[in-house]
Amino acid sequence: AQSVTQLGSHVSVSEGALVLLRCNYSSSVPPYLFWYVQYPNQGLQLLLKYTSAATLVKGINGFEAEFKKSETSFHLTKPSAHMSDAAEYFCAVTEGAGGTSYGKLTFGQGTILTVHP
Amino acid sequence: GAVVSQHPSRVICKSGTSVKIECRSLDFQATTMFWYRQFPKQSLMLMATSNEGSKATYEQGVEKDKFLINHASLTLSTLTVTSAHPEDSSFYICSAWAGGTYEQYFGPGTRLTVT
Repeated sequence: AQSVTQLGSHVSVSEGALVLLRCNYSSSVPPYLFWYVQYPNQGLQLLLKYTSAATLVKGINGFEAEFKKSETSFHLTKPSAHMSDAAEYFCAVTEGAGGTSYGKLTFGQGTILTVHP
Repeated sequence: GAVVSQHPSRVICKSGTSVKIECRSLDFQATTMFWYRQFPKQSLMLMATSNEGSKATYEQGVEKDKFLINHASLTLSTLTVTSAHPEDSSFYICSAWAGGTYEQYFGPGTRLTVT
């Protein structure tokens, strides 16, 4: 079984400030982890993914995330927030080949990021 | 990245009628397509997994006779909400998966409103 917990349903930062969105996962097999962004009334866009290669993953729009197995975490960060970063962010986990949930994504509850001028 | 389309983007229907939503992968072949439902201010909940040429696998609690899924080709899956009721009103999102990369490509979603 797999699950994802996103700490903080709402995060508010000032433009130019550090963005930190937290994600902890649970998986019975080595996980593959993703961060997606969703703008209102739109589908999901992939920001970045971890698939057992480098633990520090760089994505689009200046975002990055670090896989920490000991902490079962995959927090998303961006050094300097931009107004256009305001959106909802979802962390998701899936299992690799051999896992019972191979290919299926389990999403966290989502974190709404607000960026103040 | 790969492009997935959904049609229609918005639909309003009367209670008791059926609605069909199409999900297409435009520039790749999707061995598997997933259908999700998202209620306002909530996360995505997986409804079913659709593999080309075979019956869909539904998640626990999802009525297979109400949400009919057809995956007739490697680029098209359809979700039909039969005898829709107001509680079926939601945002339905599909995703397409080509295997291997583990990455799912999401459609833009369909807003269904049942009156």
